[in-house]
Amino acid sequence: NAGVTQTPKFQVLKTGQSMTLQCAQDMNHEYMSWYRQDPGMGLRLIHYSVGAGITDQGEVPNGYNVSRSTTEDFPLRLLSAAPSQTSVYFCASTSGTSSYEQYFGPGTRLTVT
Amino acid sequence: DQQVKQNSPSLSVQEGRISILNCDYTNSMFDYFLWYKKYPAEGPTFLISISSIKDKNEDGRFTVFLNKSAKHLSLHIVPSQPGDSAVYFCAAGGFGNEKLTFGTGTRLTIIP
Repeated sequence: NAGVTQTPKFQVLKTGQSMTLQCAQDMNHEYMSWYRQDPGMGLRLIHYSVGAGITDQGEVPNGYNVSRSTTEDFPLRLLSAAPSQTSVYFCASTSGTSSYEQYFGPGTRLTVT
Repeated sequence: DQQVKQNSPSLSVQEGRISILNCDYTNSMFDYFLWYKKYPAEGPTFLISISSIKDKNEDGRFTVFLNKSAKHLSLHIVPSQPGDSAVYFCAAGGFGNEKLTFGTGTRLTIIP
């Protein structure tokens, strides 16, 4: 099992550009989520999905879109990048059947100039 | 409104001693609490959890204590080892769904 994988590891964007952060898991988990980590702010939930075809907003959804067409994949789209979106992004998944334990990917460090 | 708070941004402890990391929460509907450990340039990894029906859970050197009346939980690491140096996040969940609310983290440094 590869667990939760994220690509790319690093990305630099110019203001106004768009891009997609990829996330995939091979554990057949129904629940997936995206977080951003900023200094002094902890991990904040951007969007989450409880299964294929179902997504919902988290704490800080503005400027981001998600879709969930398969159980395995949960991409995060930045529509028009802003410097405030400079952050480290983590994708996570959980089976949701027995505990709240979430498995995290290695993260994507995004810089918007 | 920060529902899960870790008021100590950093903590230094001598190797072999006990490390105590604290976490406070405000929402009494949380019914499940977790601790995650994070090394630089890696994703957080699950460490230990506790449900609201318990007041203590142990796993090797790690023990989590929950005081529901005070809305406070703590993570004890005994004995502390250099490999324990990391950022520790407290998280809370509940309401019948899988959403977690994280604290801001405490950077633990173990001094050899």
